[in-house]
Amino acid sequence: QVQLVQSGAEVKKPGSSVKVSCKASGDTFRGFAFSWVRQAPGQGLEWVGTIVPVFNKIDYAQRFLGRVTITADSSTSTAYLDLSSLRSEDTAVYYCARDKCGPRGDCHHFDYWGQGTLVTVSS
Amino acid sequence: EIVLTQSPGTLSLSPGESATLSCRASQSLSSSYLAWYQQKPGQAPRLLIFGGSSRATGIPDRFSGGGSGTDFTLTISRLEPEDIAVYYCQQSGSAPRTFGQGTKLEIK
Repeated sequence: QVQLVQSGAEVKKPGSSVKVSCKASGDTFRGFAFSWVRQAPGQGLEWVGTIVPVFNKIDYAQRFLGRVTITADSSTSTAYLDLSSLRSEDTAVYYCARDKCGPRGDCHHFDYWGQGTLVTVSS
Repeated sequence: EIVLTQSPGTLSLSPGESATLSCRASQSLSSSYLAWYQQKPGQAPRLLIFGGSSRATGIPDRFSGGGSGTDFTLTISRLEPEDIAVYYCQQSGSAPRTFGQGTKLEIK
C-alpha cells in the first residue's frame, strides 16, 4: 500500500525558512518522481515543483524561483521542500504527491498524496 | 502558461442525477496530460481520472472523463451524497503544471 507521510504543522516568522518532509512507504520511492502542491486557506491548488531523481531533474514554478529547493533522499525514501524568505502569503497547506512519469521523465499526474502540512507564517 | 477554466463554479444536484463538469484549456493539450482530482473537505486531493479518460485505481465507473484539444469533461453519474467535494482538473502537458480553479459539487 502506498503511503506518503508528511511532517507536522509549522508556525514561522516572516523572512524565515521552513523545511517540510514527505516519507514514502516501502518501494514507493525508488524510480518515482515527487511533487509539491500547496493550497492557501479557502483557495485552489497550486503546483510548486517536481523532482525526478532518476533523471536528476528538478522543475520549479517560476514564482518560487530563488526561494524554493526540492530534494530527495533515496536512502530514507524521503522528499523535502525547503521554502525561504517566507511571507504571509505563503501560509498554506503543503502537499507532497507521487508523480507518475513516462520513460523520458515527462510527468503526467499525481497518483498518491500525503496528508498535507499546514505552514503558518505570522509575526 | 496554460490556463484551465472550470465551469460551473458550483453545481447543486439531487442524488441519482448526473453531473457534467467542464474544464477548458487556453491552449490545446494532449489528453494524456489531463487529470481530474476530487477533494473532500479537510482531506487531501484524490486522483480520479488520468490520461483524460482512464479511471484511477478504486474509482467507481460512475466517474468518467472525456474530451480533447481544449475541452474536457468529467461526468459523474448516479450522484451519491458522498460525492460532495471540489473537483479540479490539472494539466502537465506544458510548463508550468497548472490546475483549474475547481468546481464545487453540492448534493441537494
